[in-house]
Amino acid sequence: GQQVMQIPQYQHVQEGEDFTTYCNSSTTLSNIQWYKQRPGGHPVFLIQLVKSGEVKKQKRLTFQFGEAKKNSSLHITATQTTDVGTYFCADPYGGSQGNLIFGKGTKLSVKP
Amino acid sequence: GAGVSQSPRYKVTKRGQDVTLRCDPISSHATLYWYQQALGQGPEFLTYFNYEAQPDKSGLPSDRFSAERPEGSISTLTIQRTEQRDSAMYRCASSFQVQETQYFGPGTRLLVL
Repeated sequence: GQQVMQIPQYQHVQEGEDFTTYCNSSTTLSNIQWYKQRPGGHPVFLIQLVKSGEVKKQKRLTFQFGEAKKNSSLHITATQTTDVGTYFCADPYGGSQGNLIFGKGTKLSVKP
Repeated sequence: GAGVSQSPRYKVTKRGQDVTLRCDPISSHATLYWYQQALGQGPEFLTYFNYEAQPDKSGLPSDRFSAERPEGSISTLTIQRTEQRDSAMYRCASSFQVQETQYFGPGTRLLVL
């Protein structure tokens, strides 16, 4: 079935360093969503990208959707300890009923 | 309510026992999803409801799993004759309509001994 692959699985950075996680699909995506799950928390919706080549920013977070709509990335500039958590990409149209198809996530740890 | 709530937050049970998990979605939301999340993985779809209808059960791992939403609001997920492999976080999410933004609850962590 439809899958989204996400890399890296883990990323350890020093506070202030940048961080990027990548999401890839073997098929063309209609849209892609990004979620953040804090340690011990639940997935929280961050953003949805819809258009080919779309770039959206939320403060230090930059989200990109590839031109072919088969990949996406999330880049965090100058990480802070509050950025700690697992970042998931998800395909909102991969399931037949609107259920999300999640990547395995990238777990970010930030050393102060 | 203000957000999605789930109960219990933690459940420890012995192999072979039945368990029932509850989800209370955001009150205006027609659509409710159940996901299973293993440690270190993303949530995986189990089933969903649109109001009280359950159009898709395809993600349920076996016939030991069932879900209900009789009045189109609160939903329950029941696992009969639990097995150790059922140990996971069970998450509920709701959305205003199908394929709109989903809001997740805090989850129920199930441990089967």
